[in-house]
Amino acid sequence: RKEVEQDPGPFNVPEGATVAFNCTYSNSASQSFFWYRQDCRKEPKLLMSVYSSGNEDGRFTAQLNRASQYISLLIRDSKLSDSATYLCVVKTGTGRRALTFGSGTRLQVQP
Amino acid sequence: NAGVTQTPKFQVLKTGQSMTLQCAQDMNHNSMYWYRQDPGMGLRLIYYSASEGTTDKGEVPNGYNVSRLNKREFSLRLESAAPSQTSVYFCASTSGQGTDTQYFGPGTRLTVL
Repeated sequence: RKEVEQDPGPFNVPEGATVAFNCTYSNSASQSFFWYRQDCRKEPKLLMSVYSSGNEDGRFTAQLNRASQYISLLIRDSKLSDSATYLCVVKTGTGRRALTFGSGTRLQVQP
Repeated sequence: NAGVTQTPKFQVLKTGQSMTLQCAQDMNHNSMYWYRQDPGMGLRLIYYSASEGTTDKGEVPNGYNVSRLNKREFSLRLESAAPSQTSVYFCASTSGQGTDTQYFGPGTRLTVL
């Protein structure tokens, strides 16, 4: 079983739609959680951290469920510019080796 | 402020050839990383450097060596390239001071024939 699992998609949604992605992680000792965005043939960039109480940044909402070991990302009012791959990232333990990246979920927003 | 830069952007090698991928950051970050990204695999850590003068193996270090030349620069060397090393290579850095946010370079697309 992969440490961090994501549905690869693609998720094809119309502009204005609401879309949600889930990510599951296997290590219950995981401490920190992040969503990164990666545009086609570009480098990953931090989208948002995920806090225990859930957090929102504009149209983006991230949730953490420690009991079920998953995190989610909700995108409201999808824009064409949201088309990208969304990477789930989990930190387990301390030290510089600790970040584990999921393989990503691809989102395609259509006009 | 360029962030993290990588050279070259593209490279084609023949099996057995060697090359060095260069990475530099201008954010005064302590920690630097090399990852490879393959389809369906996610980013996998090759080597990292927690601070100037130190390097450590990551998840997939075989076939690679690294040098932390100074605080700014962290290079990745392939001594004898193999087709299995065909991948996109990303360098990243983080300040290492209470934050886990990693800043990535634009990547190097390497093909080994």
